[in-house]
Amino acid sequence: NAGVTQTPKFQVLKTGQSMTLQCAQDMNHEYMSWYRQDPGMGLRLIHYSVGAGITDQGEVPNGYNVSRSTTEDFPLRLLSAAPSQTSVYFCASSLAGGPDTQYFGPGTRLTVL
Amino acid sequence: AQSVTQLDSQVPVFEEAPVELRCNYSSSVSVYLFWYVQYPNQGLQLLLKYLSGSTLVKGINGFEAEFNKSQTSFHLRKPSVHISDTAEYFCASRADSNYQLIWGAGTKLIIKP
Repeated sequence: NAGVTQTPKFQVLKTGQSMTLQCAQDMNHEYMSWYRQDPGMGLRLIHYSVGAGITDQGEVPNGYNVSRSTTEDFPLRLLSAAPSQTSVYFCASSLAGGPDTQYFGPGTRLTVL
Repeated sequence: AQSVTQLDSQVPVFEEAPVELRCNYSSSVSVYLFWYVQYPNQGLQLLLKYLSGSTLVKGINGFEAEFNKSQTSFHLRKPSVHISDTAEYFCASRADSNYQLIWGAGTKLIIKP
């Protein structure tokens, strides 16, 4: 199993550009989520999904969209990038939304100029 | 509302010395508690979790944590650290009633040779 994969590893955008961060898992996990990690702030939940076709907002959803058309994929779209979105983004998955272990991808480091 | 506080942003310790990383949580309902570790330039991985039962939880790499309900704490300990334990450690909680993990800000463990 590859686990949770994320692409790209690094990305530089200009203000106003849009892009999609890709996340895929091959563990047949129902629950997937996107976090951003900023220094001294831990992880903050952006969006999550409890299954294909079902998504919901987390703590910091503004400026981001998600969709879940398949169990495996959970892309994160930045609609119009802003410098405040400079961060490291992690995708995670777990078997269910309960107290199951979350498996994290390696992260995408995004810089918005 | 739930919250998680990690009292130290950095903990320097000599190699082979014991270490304790502190975590306090607040919640009006039953919670599940987790410790995750993030090695440099990697995603997070689970160290250990408390769901119910014995308050002393053992995890990977020789780490353990003790759930103390009266003190609302879940401190992480290791009797003898190694240079390979250099990482950032995150405490997280999850209420029984929802999917979201609430994260602490993280503690960087710095091992001095």
